Amino acid sequence: DAGVTQSPTHLIKTRGQHVTLRCSPISGHKSVSWYQQVLGQGPQFIFQYYEKEERGRGNFPDRFSARQFPNYSSELNVNALLLGDSALYLCASSFLRLSGGEAFFGQGTRLTVV
Amino acid sequence: AQKVTQAQTEISVVEKEDVTLDCVYETRDTTYYLFWYKQPPSGELVFLIRRNSFDEQNEISGRYSWNFQKSTSSFNFTITASQVVDSAVYFCALSTLLVKTSYDKVIFGPGTSLSVIP
Repeated sequence: DAGVTQSPTHLIKTRGQHVTLRCSPISGHKSVSWYQQVLGQGPQFIFQYYEKEERGRGNFPDRFSARQFPNYSSELNVNALLLGDSALYLCASSFLRLSGGEAFFGQGTRLTVV
Repeated sequence: AQKVTQAQTEISVVEKEDVTLDCVYETRDTTYYLFWYKQPPSGELVFLIRRNSFDEQNEISGRYSWNFQKSTSSFNFTITASQVVDSAVYFCALSTLLVKTSYDKVIFGPGTSLSVIP
């Protein structure tokens, strides 16, 4: 069975540009969460989506947005990129809306903003 | 406020040594979950264990063991007879009681980088 897949794996963008990151959850999983992991730190929660609705949002500016599609895949969008947005963006999927944090993670998208 | 502290930034051990990774957490909730995740160089977070706040039994899984002590708000992780493949960053994480939250928000510690030297 395929695990959580994220695309692209690496990305280089210029300040002020827009970026879209994609995530396909494990088949049958309805919940997708996004995390930002800055180098040397632990992942920080950005969003959770369940059944195509935003269920939770972390302390991130409005430049960050996301959506979930009918097939439960998800996109994370970041507008007006800043150098500080450079990070590993992780997607996690779980079957239930509330899984107590037990989730399966993808390998992430490494975003570099120059 | 909820917080997870992993005081050890980096640890190096020689293969076959035992190593303990410390985790201290803060929460006002009486019911919560604690986790350990492993992050190898590939970047993917690998789930290792979940404990709920009412279950303080220590757990052993092969060379891995976990010691949960509510009295000291600690959830330490021990690797026995370490191997080179154990080299990774290990994260301790905290999740609040499910029924009080409408979503999963997991708070991760800063991580401990473990290097096992052959």
